[in-house]
Amino acid sequence: TQLLEQSPQFLSIQEGENLTVYCNSSSVFSSLQWYRQEPGEGPVLLVTVVTGGEVKKLKRLTFQFGDARKDSSLHITAAQPGDTGLYLCAGEARSGTYKYIFGTGTRLKVLA
Amino acid sequence: ETGVTQTPRHLVMGMTNKKSLKCEQHLGHNAMYWYKQSAKKPLELMFVYNFKEQTENNSVPSRFSPECPNSSHLFLHLHTLQPEDSALYLCASSPRGTNYGYTFGSGTRLTVV
Repeated sequence: TQLLEQSPQFLSIQEGENLTVYCNSSSVFSSLQWYRQEPGEGPVLLVTVVTGGEVKKLKRLTFQFGDARKDSSLHITAAQPGDTGLYLCAGEARSGTYKYIFGTGTRLKVLA
Repeated sequence: ETGVTQTPRHLVMGMTNKKSLKCEQHLGHNAMYWYKQSAKKPLELMFVYNFKEQTENNSVPSRFSPECPNSSHLFLHLHTLQPEDSALYLCASSPRGTNYGYTFGSGTRLTVV
């Protein structure tokens, strides 16, 4: 069974601080996605990474896919209260299925 | 507006009731999904439909019955549920054959009493 473990589970930081969220697995994924979910809403796709070692930037968010395609990280620079939410990683279960297994989630709270 | 609309947003039902959840998308996506989100557990894939055909049933109990009359609509029929079925039920759609990811609806918060 493919599992995606995210760490930390919870994170509470002050506005302006930097943080990194990790997504780890013993399985290889052909692609991996990151989502953010706000209370009372569904997850919203932030990024998809498909190549080992790939780095993508989305404003203050930097996403990296591990060289072996088993892990990924999300780094946020100068966090803002609007970054508050549940961050989910999702790996493609089997290549070409476009069916994703979701991680355990990291709940981030950024205090003003 | 996410492009995927789920109704109702909230539902409280007794264990003997029958109810249905509705999902609608007009994004032109070919695949639609039902996920269950419970506290302290990862999102669980329940069903996958590709071009109206069910391609995945992830060992879901028969008290959950999906229906996909066309590529734009997806239903989840509920009957004789248990309190542990209380959760957020999320519908998603995607354009198959791409890495564009899922577009999720806002979900239905289900409480079984």
